[in-house]
Amino acid sequence: ETGVTQSPTHLIKTRGQQVTLRCSSQSGHNTVSWYQQALGQGPQFIFQYYREEENGRGNFPPRFSGLQFPNYSSELNVNALELDDSALYLCASSSSGQGISHLYFGPGTRLTVT
Amino acid sequence: DQQVKQNSPSLSVQEGRISILNCDYTNSMFDYFLWYKKYPAEGPTFLISISSIKDKNEDGRFTVFLNKSAKHLSLHIVPSQPGDSAVYFCAASGYNQGGKLIFGQGTELSVKP
Repeated sequence: ETGVTQSPTHLIKTRGQQVTLRCSSQSGHNTVSWYQQALGQGPQFIFQYYREEENGRGNFPPRFSGLQFPNYSSELNVNALELDDSALYLCASSSSGQGISHLYFGPGTRLTVT
Repeated sequence: DQQVKQNSPSLSVQEGRISILNCDYTNSMFDYFLWYKKYPAEGPTFLISISSIKDKNEDGRFTVFLNKSAKHLSLHIVPSQPGDSAVYFCAASGYNQGGKLIFGQGTELSVKP
């Protein structure tokens, strides 16, 4: 059974640029959530995708957008990058119908905006 | 607006002793609470959870206590082992909120041999 994988591991971008982060769900999981973890903080919910539709969103501006593909993998896109977007971005997958404790996180992508 | 708070950024404990990690929350609509453990360069991994209808849940060396009137929960690790050294996050959710978890800031536990 393959766990949640994310790419790239690290990324450096310049303010104003756009970035795409990728996530492959754990086998059998159809729901993907994205979280942002700033330095010294806990993960903060960005949004969740289920059956290729956004299914809940946290307090993040529209320049944070996502996609879920038929194979349940997902992308997080951030436009017009700001310095405060520097953080660890975590993807988590789960299966609908299972409890919230069945949320499996990937290792994250470390984004640095200069 | 920090709905889930872990007021101790770090905790150091001797191997074999008890580790107690604390968490406070403000939203009375939360009805499910979880603890996650995170090692460097890895994602958080689920450790233990508790529903609001209970006040205690135990799993091996790990016990979570919930005090709803005080809006407080704690994680007890007995006995603590060096491999328990990690960052521990408290998280909360309400029913039908899917994957939306509200996390605390985390407490870094160091267990010294």
